[in-house]
Amino acid sequence: QVQLQESGPGLVKPSETLSLTCTVSGGSISSYYWSWIRQPPGKGLEWIGYIYYTGSTNYSPSLKSRVTISADTSKNQFSLKLSSVTAADTAVYYCASGEAFTMIRYWGQGTLVTVSS
Amino acid sequence: QTVVTQEPSLTVSPGGTVTLTCASSTGAVTSGSYPNWFQQKPGQAPRALIYSTSNKHSWTPARFSGSLLGGKAALTLSGVQPEDEAEYYCLLYYGGAQVFGGGTKLTVL
Repeated sequence: QVQLQESGPGLVKPSETLSLTCTVSGGSISSYYWSWIRQPPGKGLEWIGYIYYTGSTNYSPSLKSRVTISADTSKNQFSLKLSSVTAADTAVYYCASGEAFTMIRYWGQGTLVTVSS
Repeated sequence: QTVVTQEPSLTVSPGGTVTLTCASSTGAVTSGSYPNWFQQKPGQAPRALIYSTSNKHSWTPARFSGSLLGGKAALTLSGVQPEDEAEYYCLLYYGGAQVFGGGTKLTVL
């Protein structure tokens, strides 16, 4: 069974770039679709985007101008970069995966990122 | 901007049956929207329950079922257990982009 673990800074300053990594175990990143999803405190889930191991990506239209998702097959990891962050980007960030872009099967435990000076 | 709408809250008695729905601002939800359903309990990551309208994951209890109902995606819980109290989210696909519903808080009382 695939297991996912997010890692990265828990505090980011406004206007800077948020960077997170998801480490994949129990499966190869050279298959499946790999997603990022976030959840502001006390609110619902928001899809950020996904990457396929070939490098093909798809992003939320509302975040597209600020988001980059990439994959490192040699490390079995994929990453999220979100630029020009504001307090509105404060959230628990989850990585997730599924065998098709039309499904999510596995979730990481999530990591809280706070945007504050 | 596409909006996916769920009931904000529902209450069900233990042993009862409840149906949660998921509607799209673009029109009727079809199998081509590949509805997914997730359960989230406080302080925990979401857990996948249903994909592609009605397919269950290996860990999904038999009392959970997914369907299309009246132009919406639906999640039905039959024989509700106290541990089913949670927030439930649907996810719909729009040609690559994906949109979550706002969630339904299910209370078992």
